[in-house]
Amino acid sequence: DAGVIQSPRHEVTEMGQEVTLRCKPISGHNSLFWYRQTMMRGLELLIYFNNNVPIDDSGMPEDRFSAKMPNASFSTLKIQPSEPRDSAVYFCASSFRAEGGYTFGSGTRLTVV
Amino acid sequence: QKEVEQNSGPLSVPEGAIASLNCTYSDRGSQSFFWYRQYSGKSPELIMFIYSNGDKEDGRFTAQLNKASQYVSLLIRDSQPSDSATYLCAVNDYGGSQGNLIFGKGTKLSVKP
Repeated sequence: DAGVIQSPRHEVTEMGQEVTLRCKPISGHNSLFWYRQTMMRGLELLIYFNNNVPIDDSGMPEDRFSAKMPNASFSTLKIQPSEPRDSAVYFCASSFRAEGGYTFGSGTRLTVV
Repeated sequence: QKEVEQNSGPLSVPEGAIASLNCTYSDRGSQSFFWYRQYSGKSPELIMFIYSNGDKEDGRFTAQLNKASQYVSLLIRDSQPSDSATYLCAVNDYGGSQGNLIFGKGTKLSVKP
């Protein structure tokens, strides 16, 4: 298996623009997680899907953030409009059993200028 | 606010020594505990998990869990320069979304040749 695949690897955008991050989980995994990592705050859970259904989105910072999982093999995280404080590395992770540990994708480094 | 606390380091040990990484957690109901290794600019990689009190050994790595003290540790024997990375402790969110892992901010380990 190719692992968790994220795209793009790097994204530089101007403040106010829409940003869409993409994730393909490992085939057969039924849980998908979006995390954001910064030096100050570490890894923070944004949203968690189980069997394509959002279970916990309490970590989504505000209405500018939205996430979807239309099928078992694809998820998106959208930021609209983007702000400089959204600059971070965004990781997608998946697991077969959520309590069994995750496999992380390579991440998307987002820079909003 | 559920928390996972780690000393940020850096922890510096000479090559061949034992590195000891520590983690405390606030959610007494947590049942699953994980150690991830993250090299600079890379994604976290699962290296150990432990569910029961006591020790669990895997090669040069030993995870130790003491639920009464809400304490989990990772020992790395015969440390190598390639072990230099940030080590993240993660604990399952027992009272909330049980599939969610709460991460500490990590301890940076430096192994000097």
